[in-house]
Amino acid sequence: DAGVIQSPRHEVTEMGQEVTLRCKPISGHNSLFWYRQTMMRGLELLIYFNNNVPIDDSGMPEDRFSAKMPNASFSTLKIQPSEPRDSAVYFCASSEQVTMYGYTFGSGTRLTVV
Amino acid sequence: AQSVTQLGSHVSVSEGALVLLRCNYSSSVPPYLFWYVQYPNQGLQLLLKYTSAATLVKGINGFEAEFKKSETSFHLTKPSAHMSDAAEYFCALNTNAGKSTFGDGTTLTVKP
Repeated sequence: DAGVIQSPRHEVTEMGQEVTLRCKPISGHNSLFWYRQTMMRGLELLIYFNNNVPIDDSGMPEDRFSAKMPNASFSTLKIQPSEPRDSAVYFCASSEQVTMYGYTFGSGTRLTVV
Repeated sequence: AQSVTQLGSHVSVSEGALVLLRCNYSSSVPPYLFWYVQYPNQGLQLLLKYTSAATLVKGINGFEAEFKKSETSFHLTKPSAHMSDAAEYFCALNTNAGKSTFGDGTTLTVKP
């Protein structure tokens, strides 16, 4: 298995632009998580899906952030408009089950907003 | 509410010395506990997990952790540190309520 695949690996964009991050979970995993990691705030859960349905989006910082999972093999995290404070590494992770199997993380997307 | 506390944001050991990374948890229901490792510029990787089958859990790269309910702890150990163990380590907790709660992480430095 190729693992959790994220694209792009690096993204540099100007403030105000729309950014879309993509994730392909491991086949057969029914839970998908989006995390953000920064030096100041550490690892933050933004949103998670179970069977393609958003279960908890309480971590989404504001309305500029949105996430979708149109099918079991694809999810997107969109920021519109982007701001410099959104600069971070964004990770996608998937799991066979929400509780006991642990997560498989992708390699992350390093976003820089200038 | 559930929580995870990692004691010590930075731990430094000499190569060949014992590694001990501390994790305490709080949970009102039986927890599932995990340790993850993150190398620079990579995602988190699962090291080991406790799911109530055995209190001493062995993971990859020679690491192990012991679940101690009476102490609400799940400390990570390795008998002999290697330079390649230098990374950030995260303890995490799941319950049947859903999503994982992660600790703040401990950065392990290994000195030659």
